[in-house]
Amino acid sequence: GENVEQHPSTLSVQEGDSAVIKCTYSDSASNYFPWYKQELGKGPQLIIDIRSNVGEKKDQRIAVTLNKTAKHFSLHITETQPEDSAVYFCAASKGSGFQKLVFGTGTRLLVSP
Amino acid sequence: ETGVTQTPRHLVMGMTNKKSLKCEQHLGHNAMYWYKQSAKKPLELMFVYSLEERVENNSVPSRFSPECPNSSHLFLHLHTLQPEDSALYLCASSQDSGDRGREKLFFGSGTQLSVL
Repeated sequence: GENVEQHPSTLSVQEGDSAVIKCTYSDSASNYFPWYKQELGKGPQLIIDIRSNVGEKKDQRIAVTLNKTAKHFSLHITETQPEDSAVYFCAASKGSGFQKLVFGTGTRLLVSP
Repeated sequence: ETGVTQTPRHLVMGMTNKKSLKCEQHLGHNAMYWYKQSAKKPLELMFVYSLEERVENNSVPSRFSPECPNSSHLFLHLHTLQPEDSALYLCASSQDSGDRGREKLFFGSGTQLSVL
């Protein structure tokens, strides 16, 4: 079955710097790759997703890139702010119908003022 | 905020207790999920209900028993749990669009369960 690996497990940056989180997946049939942000005491919240028919997607300060050949995808956050501090999860899935996501182990991002 | 509400937020139970977790979604979705989140592990899918029918059961022990009475409500009944079952239990929902593709997953805030 699918296996998703995520790095790094923790990431500390200064406010205003960029942050990059990387994930690799094993199943070449996976075609949907979302990223979730989980703040303390809350459930994961979808922040951006990408489907396998595109290589990059941007939404304001966040962007996701996908390399299907290498089977890896990355989350890029520019001009980081303290409120970006949270745990970020990548995930992968394939097929249609109900959503069967396989998640990475998470990256704890700390943005220092 | 996300349209998925879970109760209670915190639960402490003994190994011989019986308790239930409740989830309600106000998004008009037709698929609901239970996930388990333990420290330093990926989120683990436990159960999926699509159109009120259980379509996935990821080898979950029988001490966890799900119930989906309608498309808006999902329960997880717990009995004779073990200390290793202590975790954050998350409910989620999505719109199962069949062959038209998968839709986004929306999570509740979870129930933090401690088994003593």
